[in-house]
Amino acid sequence: GNSVTQMEGPVTLSEEAFLTINCTYTATGYPSLFWYVQYPGEGLQLLLKATKADDKGSNKGFEATYRKETTSFHLEKGSVQVSDSAVYFCALTDSGSARQLTFGSGTQLTVLP
Amino acid sequence: KAGVTQTPRYLIKTRGQQVTLSCSPISGHRSVSWYQQTPGQGLQFLFEYFSETQRNKGNFPGRFSGRQFSNSRSEMNVSTLELGDSALYLCASSRTRQGGSYNEQFFGPGTRLTVL
Repeated sequence: GNSVTQMEGPVTLSEEAFLTINCTYTATGYPSLFWYVQYPGEGLQLLLKATKADDKGSNKGFEATYRKETTSFHLEKGSVQVSDSAVYFCALTDSGSARQLTFGSGTQLTVLP
Repeated sequence: KAGVTQTPRYLIKTRGQQVTLSCSPISGHRSVSWYQQTPGQGLQFLFEYFSETQRNKGNFPGRFSGRQFSNSRSEMNVSTLELGDSALYLCASSRTRQGGSYNEQFFGPGTRLTVL
């Protein structure tokens, strides 16, 4: 079956530091890959997505590249802000069940001023 | 444009009771999916409805059920509540045609269910 493995948290960084959150996946077929963010007391928001190999998703300074050869979709940001503090989830849908998201365990990010 | 709304936001029930949660999708969205979020199991897919039909179901016992109405609003029901059902239940809607490829899922704020 499908699975997503995410870097264990929590992660604590100083403002303006570089962020990487690792994500690897196992899936049949050609999955689409996503990063979602969850702020305290809120639902999930789609941060970025990539639907085929070598695609780069980007949004709000965050980037992730779909690497089929390493089955990875690592999230990066060059300079984090306090407002980026949240829980980040890597997720996938496979080609057979397009609207069933399989999530990683989530990574809590705290950015200190 | 209004987002996905879920009611109620918080619920407290006791073991053995049943509960119904409601989700109103974004206008024009016909697909509604439900997810359970717990600290131990993370985010798990419950089921998806499209045009009043369940199209996909996750690995949950039959105590968990749902339905969708003609206006795309959806409800999920949990019968004979157990302590382990305490969770945040998230609903997501998407604009997708039947059998179509992925369209972005928009999540609601969730309903926090506590079972005592």
